[in-house]
Amino acid sequence: DIQMTQSPSTLSTSVGDRVTITCRASQTISVWLAWYQQKPGKAPKLLIYKASTLESGVPSRFSGRGSGTEFTLTISSLQPDDFATYYCLQYNSYLYTFGQGTKLEIK
Amino acid sequence: ELQLVESGGGLVQPGGSLRLSCAASGFTFSSYEMNWVRQAPGKGLEWISYISRSGSNIYYADSVKGRFTISRDNARNSLFLQMNSLRAEDTAVYYCARKTFDLVGYMDVWGKGTTVTVSS
Repeated sequence: DIQMTQSPSTLSTSVGDRVTITCRASQTISVWLAWYQQKPGKAPKLLIYKASTLESGVPSRFSGRGSGTEFTLTISSLQPDDFATYYCLQYNSYLYTFGQGTKLEIK
Repeated sequence: ELQLVESGGGLVQPGGSLRLSCAASGFTFSSYEMNWVRQAPGKGLEWISYISRSGSNIYYADSVKGRFTISRDNARNSLFLQMNSLRAEDTAVYYCARKTFDLVGYMDVWGKGTTVTVSS
């Protein structure tokens, strides 16, 4: 099975900061990676798919990069609504795997 | 409007069984592969099962293999998860999620989840 290692697990940040979250796959997954945002008590919301394609309606301050085994999600200028938990998902295999999550906290 | 609505969660004793349902609307259910994903309290997301459009291909995470059974009824636009031999560690919010139409697809539509609590 493919393991996804996401870091950091928690990030204390401020509005306006540039934030980068990393996911590493245990084997190559090409570009088959998605990013989700989740707020407490809510279902995950799709942000990015195919490593770098922005889902319709998602603000352009979100961007994704990477291929193979290393991927990043960047928020260029953090907004109050962005404080949430972020997960990566590899979908190279039907045995999907999520990263452990990154919680963005207000500094 | 695309919608997935889970139901069937509740409190069950260890060793017990529960059947979750997911009602789909706003899209042609039979054309999409589906998944179940769960989230234990305070923990991350865990994919647990996949089913193909016809139900002929099914996959499970090791954590539920042999205890959980995924199925679907395309005539009723419904997805199911039969959970047997439940354990305390199965306590979680259970989400159904649609896989995109692509050959290699991610989960694009999610339900709001149903809560399963396994406790004596």
